[in-house]
Amino acid sequence: KNQVEQSPQSLIILEGKNCTLQCNYTVSPFSNLRWYKQDTGRGPVSLTIMTFSENTKSNGRYTATLDADTKQSSLHITASQLSDSASYICVVSAGAGSYQLTFGKGTKLSVIP
Amino acid sequence: GAVVSQHPSRVICKSGTSVKIECRSLDFQATTMFWYRQFPKQSLMLMATSNEGSKATYEQGVEKDKFLINHASLTLSTLTVTSAHPEDSSFYICSAKSSYNSPLHFGNGTRLTVT
Repeated sequence: KNQVEQSPQSLIILEGKNCTLQCNYTVSPFSNLRWYKQDTGRGPVSLTIMTFSENTKSNGRYTATLDADTKQSSLHITASQLSDSASYICVVSAGAGSYQLTFGKGTKLSVIP
Repeated sequence: GAVVSQHPSRVICKSGTSVKIECRSLDFQATTMFWYRQFPKQSLMLMATSNEGSKATYEQGVEKDKFLINHASLTLSTLTVTSAHPEDSSFYICSAKSSYNSPLHFGNGTRLTVT
């Protein structure tokens, strides 16, 4: 059964600090992994996409890593801002261009002043 | 960029009534749209895949007669919650892809409260 596990479930950090969110998956065949940011009461917005051959990808202060061997991904947020407070969802796609997606439960990040 | 618009953003209805939620792709055509439900502190749960011009494909456990999906055009899919009950209260989100390799573009969701 395809599964995506995220940790921690929730996280509180001080503004300006860095943090790392984890995503472990058992999805086969693996196609790609995306990190989404979901603000409260809003739909998710794509941050990054990682394919099998990519190890690191950055989008501003967000850096995603992927280890396809261990089936782990991380999302690192640098110099956090209050606006980073949101849920971060890891979504893994099975098969090329597949609509078969497995969603993680998300990590709720709270950035406090 | 690709935009998905969802309407209404919030709706309160009485138990037993029906509610229609619209999902529109504003600047691209979407032959396939997806409907999700999200309970508090839970991730998105796929309810059904909406295909333009054909019947929707429902996930196991989702009642197709209760959650009616119509995808009559390449830019519009609707989800109708029929005979709503308080336990149907949830956050409903739609999504669509603009191309084969594009990410999912999500609507901003609809908060349904059934009293």
